[in-house]
Amino acid sequence: KQEVTQIPAALSVPEGENLVLNCSFTDSAIYNLQWFRQDPGKGLTSLLLIQSSQREQTSGRLNASLDKSSGRSTLYIAASQPGDSATYLCAGSGNTPLVFGKGTRLSVIA
Amino acid sequence: NAGVTQTPKFQVLKTGQSMTLQCAQDMNHNSMYWYRQDPGMGLRLIYYSASEGTTDKGEVPNGYNVSRLNKREFSLRLESAAPSQTSVYFCASRWGQGYEQYFGPGTRLTVT
Repeated sequence: KQEVTQIPAALSVPEGENLVLNCSFTDSAIYNLQWFRQDPGKGLTSLLLIQSSQREQTSGRLNASLDKSSGRSTLYIAASQPGDSATYLCAGSGNTPLVFGKGTRLSVIA
Repeated sequence: NAGVTQTPKFQVLKTGQSMTLQCAQDMNHNSMYWYRQDPGMGLRLIYYSASEGTTDKGEVPNGYNVSRLNKREFSLRLESAAPSQTSVYFCASRWGQGYEQYFGPGTRLTVT
């Protein structure tokens, strides 16, 4: 059974800092790894999807990587802004529905 | 293009009452999902429908039923609501395994 872990649970950084959010999963037989953003009281917004055949995806200031052999994915946020403050969740799946981590709550301080 | 829509946005029920949460997607996705999100527990899968005409239990199906009405619509029914079902419910959809998943805005349900 796939298990997804995100550490740390919360992170506070000053504006402008580059940061990395971590995601680990137990089953390397995954089809894809997806990163989401959730603002308080809102639904989940998809940020990046990495297919199992890919190693990374980029969108603007975001870069996500996937290392199936080590069971890890990272989300890199460059030049962080207060508007990046949110909870970030990762989720992975094999031949099953997505399994979610509990998220990292990010606060970017101006 | 509305994406995934959910109704209602908010609901308060008394213990024992029943209700149906509605979900619809306009992206021609094959698979649809119902999750609940609780503080400290993360997102947990209740039921899913991999394709029209099929439904399967997820991690926490007890107390719920689902209907895949057609390719667009997937409803979640609480037959006899309990306070433990107080939660935020999210519907999601995707084309299939390995494809990007999209979420609705959620329904905040309180059972008193």
